[in-house]
Amino acid sequence: DTGVSQNPRHKITKRGQNVTFRCDPISEHNRLYWYRQTLGQGPEFLTYFQNEAQLEKSRLLSDRFSAERPKGSFSTLEIQRTEQGDSAMYLCASSLRVEVPEYEQYFGPGTRLTVT
Amino acid sequence: AQSVTQLGSHVSVSEGALVLLRCNYSSSVPPYLFWYVQYPNQGLQLLLKYTSAATLVKGINGFEAEFKKSETSFHLTKPSAHMSDAAEYFCAVSEWGNNDMRFGAGTRLTVKP
Repeated sequence: DTGVSQNPRHKITKRGQNVTFRCDPISEHNRLYWYRQTLGQGPEFLTYFQNEAQLEKSRLLSDRFSAERPKGSFSTLEIQRTEQGDSAMYLCASSLRVEVPEYEQYFGPGTRLTVT
Repeated sequence: AQSVTQLGSHVSVSEGALVLLRCNYSSSVPPYLFWYVQYPNQGLQLLLKYTSAATLVKGINGFEAEFKKSETSFHLTKPSAHMSDAAEYFCAVSEWGNNDMRFGAGTRLTVKP
């Protein structure tokens, strides 16, 4: 168990550019979540996958955001035409779906995005 | 939809003093409740969770929390604060049938020597 990893840890981009983040979950975990955390706030749910299927998306996830988990392992989160309001920490978490929902989510260290 | 409110965005205690971080939840069904800790530039680490078993839940690093249905509360306590406890603490709630976890705004704990 090497934990959830995220790359890059920091990303600075200019407004209007596209960015892509990667998340590698714990290997046996079949659920993967993306959250956004702005300064002074708790994480806000963006979307989640069960295996390769994206099962739920928050209304926070505008059409400029897209997430994929092509083989049910790692996931990518892409933001197109970035805006300054996209500046935040993007957190990835994974969990193991079991019959009872007592699963806990294991979080990665996050990717901090700064849009200038 | 479920939600949590954390009372007090900043809490300061002296080393060795009692730590009390407050969390109240709102849920239409029996909730699952969690406390996470976040150190600077790191992800969230689970401290403890309530999943409808014992109402008093013990976690890591000497923390515990008590689920009180009548008060819709899940406050986090530690008898004696240590300098290493200084961090941001988040209360979170999820419900059976919902797939997203809702977090509070967080409480920053400062421990004074």
